[in-house]
Amino acid sequence: SQQGEEDPQALSIQEGENATMNCSYKTSINNLQWYRQNSGRGLVHLILIRSNEREKHSGRLRVTLDTSKKSSSLLITASRAADTASYFCATISNFGNEKLTFGTGTRLTIIP
Amino acid sequence: EPEVTQTPSHQVTQMGQEVILRCVPISNHLYFYWYRQILGQKVEFLVSFYNNEISEKSEIFDDQFSVERPDGSNFTLKIRSTKLEDSAMYFCASSFHRTDYGYTFGSGTRLTVV
Repeated sequence: SQQGEEDPQALSIQEGENATMNCSYKTSINNLQWYRQNSGRGLVHLILIRSNEREKHSGRLRVTLDTSKKSSSLLITASRAADTASYFCATISNFGNEKLTFGTGTRLTIIP
Repeated sequence: EPEVTQTPSHQVTQMGQEVILRCVPISNHLYFYWYRQILGQKVEFLVSFYNNEISEKSEIFDDQFSVERPDGSNFTLKIRSTKLEDSAMYFCASSFHRTDYGYTFGSGTRLTVV
C-alpha cells in the first residue's frame, strides 16, 4: 500500500507567493521527512519532523504534522524560481523496519 | 558538504547483461540504501544494508539483485541479468542513524536496458 500521498499532484504559482503541499500517510510513524528533487536529479533532504512534534521551521520552510489525521503539510514562503522542483514526503514507520517510504510527490512550478 | 557519489551517471546495457552500479557513501555513515525511480513514478525502496549485511529488502529486490560493501568505502548494486523493466534511475543513499537523521542521496545512475 502507498504510505504517502501528496496533494496536489502539481502546483503552479507566481514567484513571491506561498506554496503549500500536503501529505497523507497510513501507518503509525517515527518521523516524517520532506525531500526536494530537481528534474532527473537526486533527492535533497529538507526537513525532518518527529511524531511528537507538531511544527518545525527551517528558513522559508514550515512543516506541520498532525498524527491524529495522519497528515503533514509543507509551506514554502516567498517562493522563488529556484524552488521549482518535485517535493516528496517520506515516512519512517514505528514497526521496526527502518526504511524511508516515499509518497507520490507534488510537482511545483514557480512562474517568474 | 559531504556527498554521496554514484558512478556511472548513465549506463546503457543490453538485456540479459550484468551491471554493477557503484556508490561511495559518506564516510561516517552507518546505514546504506538503494532506491530506484522509474521515469515519472515514485521513488521505490530496494534494499537497506547495515553492519555488512542486508537489513531489509523489498519485493523488487529478487535473486537478480545483490549488494556488496567490498572495501569499507564502496557500496555496489549488481543486477545479474538485466530486463527491460529494470530501466530506471537508481539512487544510493546513506544515513548516520537508523531513524533520527535524513538520508543523503547521490545524484543517481540512469540505467537504460535495450
